Amino acid sequence: GQQVMQIPQYQHVQEGEDFTTYCNSSTTLSNIQWYKQRPGGHPVFLIQLVKSGEVKKQKRLTFQFGEAKKNSSLHITATQTTDVGTYFCAGPTNTDKLIFGTGTRLQVFP
Amino acid sequence: DTAVSQTPKYLVTQMGNDKSIKCEQNLGHDTMYWYKQDSKKFLKIMFSYNNKELIINETVPNRFSPKSPDKAHLNLHINSLELGDSAVYFCASSRAGAYGYTFGSGTRLTVV
Repeated sequence: GQQVMQIPQYQHVQEGEDFTTYCNSSTTLSNIQWYKQRPGGHPVFLIQLVKSGEVKKQKRLTFQFGEAKKNSSLHITATQTTDVGTYFCAGPTNTDKLIFGTGTRLQVFP
Repeated sequence: DTAVSQTPKYLVTQMGNDKSIKCEQNLGHDTMYWYKQDSKKFLKIMFSYNNKELIINETVPNRFSPKSPDKAHLNLHINSLELGDSAVYFCASSRAGAYGYTFGSGTRLTVV
């Protein structure tokens, strides 16, 4: 079945350092979504990318959708302690089921 | 003004018991979902309902039975609970043509 993998699984950074998580799907996606889950919280929708090669920014967060629409990345510039959490990418299957990636857990040390 | 609300937030129960989790959304969304998040944080879809009709039923044991009395509610009943059912269960909803799912705050189920 369709799989969505993310690397790294864990990332520990010093506050102020940059962070990137990579998302790879086994199949081409019509779109890619990104979610953030704070410790003890629930996933919160961040953004959706639809077009091949699309790049979107939200303040210090930069999201990119690959040209082949099978991979994506989330880059955070100058991390803050409020960025702590698990970041998930997610993509729909051909039956519109949303498959979540394996997640990247980010820890930021002050 | 919680958009997607789940009850209870915590559920501790013994093996073999039957329990229910309730979910309600006030967003006017037409599709609702149940996701299971295990201890490694993997999020896996279990069921999806669109306007009270079941449209996705993943490989989930028959002990799990969803019920949608109307498009704002999606409940999950679990029979004969097993240790492996311990997880966080999230309800979510979405609107056709719109971006993203809205998740409830989750129900942490612990089977002892």
